[in-house]
Amino acid sequence: DTGVSQDPRHKITKRGQNVTFRCDPISEHNRLYWYRQTLGQGPEFLTYFQNEAQLEKSRLLSDRFSAERPKGSFSTLEIQRTEQGDSAMYLCASSTTGPRGYEQYFGPGTRLTVT
Amino acid sequence: QKEVEQNSGPLSVPEGAIASLNCTYSDRGSQSFFWYRQYSGKSPELIMFIYSNGDKEDGRFTAQLNKASQYVSLLIRDSQPSDSATYLCAVINNYGQNFVFGPGTRLSVLP
Repeated sequence: DTGVSQDPRHKITKRGQNVTFRCDPISEHNRLYWYRQTLGQGPEFLTYFQNEAQLEKSRLLSDRFSAERPKGSFSTLEIQRTEQGDSAMYLCASSTTGPRGYEQYFGPGTRLTVT
Repeated sequence: QKEVEQNSGPLSVPEGAIASLNCTYSDRGSQSFFWYRQYSGKSPELIMFIYSNGDKEDGRFTAQLNKASQYVSLLIRDSQPSDSATYLCAVINNYGQNFVFGPGTRLSVLP
């Protein structure tokens, strides 16, 4: 396991459809983060898990967004009733706890296009 | 005032020169500061982190932190065309675990 992986890498969907993205963190990283990035901006925090517990959610995360990490390993991010404004790159990152727990390593991202 | 601010650039420097990238933050209680490099179409890559006031050097990169002035900078010595990318400053706020990113500075190193 050489890094964070995300699937799919690209997703094109029609407005109103539901989409689900998957993130597999680096092995033994018990913290997992989701971010959203639009063109010309830095990533914006969405939510954060430590093991299976969702510890923090951004107010950016509307009721249409839900994230899970049921067994403390991989995580899914679901967007229901997609809107054109949801078009963005969705990034997942992971980190350990302890002294190096703030060092987050990012996956390649899932680029979502809502038409 | 945005939490983390950076000049969007582009910052253009000739090959071999020193590139200086700056970042300011608003939360005085912030403790941890990071620099990520992001190539076009790719995800951010961690290149430096700094927790204490002063300088931290790693190869051609030097991070500088001044908590009293609430700024952090990244110096890239002997800039190479391969350093051309967007550099993101990220801050861990005092109350959370998540990063707050700046908008990034686009660096162009001209051969």
